[in-house]
Amino acid sequence: AQRVTQPEKLLSVFKGAPVELKCNYSYSGSPELFWYVQYSRQRLQLLLRHISRESIKGFTADLNKGETSFHLKKPFAQEEDSAMYYCALSLQGAQKLVFGQGTRLTINP
Amino acid sequence: GAGVSQSPSNKVTEKGKDVELRCDPISGHTALYWYRQSLGQGLEFLIYFQGNSAPDKSGLPSDRFSAERTGGSVSTLTIQRTQQEDSAVYLCASSLRGTKNIQYFGAGTRLSVL
Repeated sequence: AQRVTQPEKLLSVFKGAPVELKCNYSYSGSPELFWYVQYSRQRLQLLLRHISRESIKGFTADLNKGETSFHLKKPFAQEEDSAMYYCALSLQGAQKLVFGQGTRLTINP
Repeated sequence: GAGVSQSPSNKVTEKGKDVELRCDPISGHTALYWYRQSLGQGLEFLIYFQGNSAPDKSGLPSDRFSAERTGGSVSTLTIQRTQQEDSAVYLCASSLRGTKNIQYFGAGTRLSVL
């Protein structure tokens, strides 16, 4: 079965430090991967998708098919990055998203 | 509209009662999705609509759950004979056809079954 695993429920780093949120997936087909973010008292929103290969708010994520990973990285964390982050997988030919359980990121001043 | 609108924002009900949750998608979005977020769990897919049809209902957890969409717009998720394990945040999302999975989410309905 398709699955997305985010091994860290909680992650805390200091402002200015690098941050990496891990995401691994299991899917035998051609995956499409996303990162969604939910800031405090805001709705869930798309942060980035792998096919765009872009940097949003300083975050990047590279799809590694060999390791079946899509880790989210930022070289210098900022306090406003504190939020809940969800990795999601879209299956080939399907519309639904399969989400991981999320990682709550806290950036300490 | 400005975004995906869900109502009510909170619903408290007694075990055994029926509840209806409403979703009003972004105007022009033909695809609509329902997800559920239970305490300590990730987001769990329930059902997907394309127009008024639901080609994927695979996530509905039991036959107590049903959903419909009318006029290609508003959708209602109905839970019959609610149970305590139905307590969760129910999220609705919509997307444009052809922009697969750039899904725009509503603020959710927090359902509490006592």
